[in-house]
Amino acid sequence: AQSVTQLGSHVSVSEGALVLLRCNYSSSVPPYLFWYVQYPNQGLQLLLKYTSAATLVKGINGFEAEFKKSETSFHLTKPSAHMSDAAEYFCAVSNQAGTALIFGKGTTLSVSS
Amino acid sequence: DVKVTQSSRYLVKRTGEKVFLECVQDMDHENMFWYRQDPGLGLRLIYFSYDVKMKEKGDIPEGYSVSREKKERFSLILESASTNQTSMYLCASSTKAGGVLAGELFFGEGSRLTVL
Repeated sequence: AQSVTQLGSHVSVSEGALVLLRCNYSSSVPPYLFWYVQYPNQGLQLLLKYTSAATLVKGINGFEAEFKKSETSFHLTKPSAHMSDAAEYFCAVSNQAGTALIFGKGTTLSVSS
Repeated sequence: DVKVTQSSRYLVKRTGEKVFLECVQDMDHENMFWYRQDPGLGLRLIYFSYDVKMKEKGDIPEGYSVSREKKERFSLILESASTNQTSMYLCASSTKAGGVLAGELFFGEGSRLTVL
């Protein structure tokens, strides 16, 4: 069955520091992987997606993620955190039929000045 | 701008009440979804629909039903609300043609339901 595991429910960084949010996946078929962000009191919006075209994927707001099949990982990074990056981040994988997304438990990112 | 609108942002209901959560999208999307969001549990899929009058169970359908009489509207129904259904409910939609695999789920802002 398809699933994703997000390591760390809370991550705290200083403004300007590297952001690293971890996601490992389990999939019986070649996976489609996604990162979504949820700002306070808002719905989710797509940050970036992996659909097998390239292993390094660039998204909005300076985020990127690298697909590593050998490690079954799809970690999200940003070189320099900004206060506005404070939000909850969700990793997701498509279900086996490709009809819905399965989300991880989320990681809350805090950014301090 | 694409729009998924959930009619109620906040609801307070009593145990045993029948609850309707409404979701409308204006993008002519075929697929619509209901997720439940709880702290520490992330988003869990309740039901989804890929066409009018069609529905599929997600991971946690127990205690819920859905209705899709029109393409733009997808309703989540709690037949007899219980306190363990207190949660944030998120509606989403996508196109049928590769929409899910493209990750292009468009979400509403959520409906926070409290069952007393």
